[in-house]
Amino acid sequence: DGGITQSPKYLFRKEGQNVTLSCEQNLNHDAMYWYRQDPGQGLRLIYYSQIVNDFQKGDIAEGYSVSREKKESFPLTVTSAQKNPTAFYLCASSPYRGDTDTQYFGPGTRLTVL
Amino acid sequence: GDSVTQMEGPVTLSEEAFLTINCTYTATGYPSLFWYVQYPGEGLQLLLKATKADDKGSNKGFEATYRKETTSFHLEKGSVQVSDSAVYFCALEAAGNKLTFGGGTRVLVKP
Repeated sequence: DGGITQSPKYLFRKEGQNVTLSCEQNLNHDAMYWYRQDPGQGLRLIYYSQIVNDFQKGDIAEGYSVSREKKESFPLTVTSAQKNPTAFYLCASSPYRGDTDTQYFGPGTRLTVL
Repeated sequence: GDSVTQMEGPVTLSEEAFLTINCTYTATGYPSLFWYVQYPGEGLQLLLKATKADDKGSNKGFEATYRKETTSFHLEKGSVQVSDSAVYFCALEAAGNKLTFGGGTRVLVKP
């Protein structure tokens, strides 16, 4: 089955710790994205990558880091510098053929900082 | 910058009622427009999309028409079911494949 997987589904972290969220896709998509969703709000873009070994900051990149060493993987690290990390994190991918294209979303990871 | 405004919820309906969720946008150029749906505890699923003015997107009984003159993309369904209970997000895509989302509208359908 083709799709996007995110793990774990639930993640708990102590304050001051870094944590890495996994995102894998087997859709052969070029572009991948990370969004943050807070209760009752829309999604905000954290980082995105349109090609391997390249990525750009989104609207709320502070306190986060990413890597894109493989086409199918785009892990997100939430660092201790992120002041309010408790949220629902969604990963997405798209073919990125240079024009309008649909983004497909994973099931999300809910991060709670204790 | 680009922005999307959609009606605040929650919207509570009875089964078989007519559903409308308003969405308006601000963008430079000619963005593509999307409706996504999120069921409890899950990621987003694409519901429908429209890529140019006067296009109508449709799926699962839902419809939305891209109205450039009113910068709107309202979502409608003629007869809702309990299974349509979810949060609905309007979004636009401008340059670079980046999506801008509205705040979401929670819909609750009661039997």
